[in-house]
Amino acid sequence: GIQVEQSPPDLILQEGANSTLRCNFSDSVNNLQWFHQNPWGQLINLFYIPSGTKQNGRLSATTVATERYSLLYISSSQTTDSGVYFCAVVTSGTYKYIFGTGTRLKVLA
Amino acid sequence: GAVVSQHPSWVICKSGTSVKIECRSLDFQATTMFWYRQFPKQSLMLMATSNEGSKATYEQGVEKDKFLINHASLTLSTLTVTSAHPEDSSFYICSASKLGTGTDTQYFGPGTRLTVL
Repeated sequence: GIQVEQSPPDLILQEGANSTLRCNFSDSVNNLQWFHQNPWGQLINLFYIPSGTKQNGRLSATTVATERYSLLYISSSQTTDSGVYFCAVVTSGTYKYIFGTGTRLKVLA
Repeated sequence: GAVVSQHPSWVICKSGTSVKIECRSLDFQATTMFWYRQFPKQSLMLMATSNEGSKATYEQGVEKDKFLINHASLTLSTLTVTSAHPEDSSFYICSASKLGTGTDTQYFGPGTRLTVL
């Protein structure tokens, strides 16, 4: 089956710093989403981005489907950005989400 | 819109007992509901997919007799962990797809933390 790897696995930032999180996937996908899991476990949908670039405030994401990767950019990080970031993909012919390995982010005040 | 709730948000039970977790789509009808399990510091793993009025489809390695899923209506799915043991302790998350919008966008509930003593 498809493999979804995220990097880095852990990241510690000082408040105000920028960061880039990466999601690599081993097969073509129909859908890709980025999620933020807050410290209470709630998954918050950030972007639905099977291809192209989107921006929402301090966050932006780019998916290059032909090269099988997606990037999530966080600018001017805040302590509330702390948590785990997951990408999840859906492959052709199925509706199942396959979650990546996650990036655990901690932003220090 | 597209709010999914879970009840309870956390539960502690004794080994050998059964626990039921509810997943509800509050403001939409769900074509399909999904159940995931997440162990500490790990990713989410799909356990099963359920459609209203039909039997759930379980992922490889998930015991269907242990994790009973009932999808009684377009807004409610339940997961019952039967004869729970400490190794079943985990964070259980459900999601739902909106009726009429296809199944490749899922809306996630807040999760249920199960601790089996």
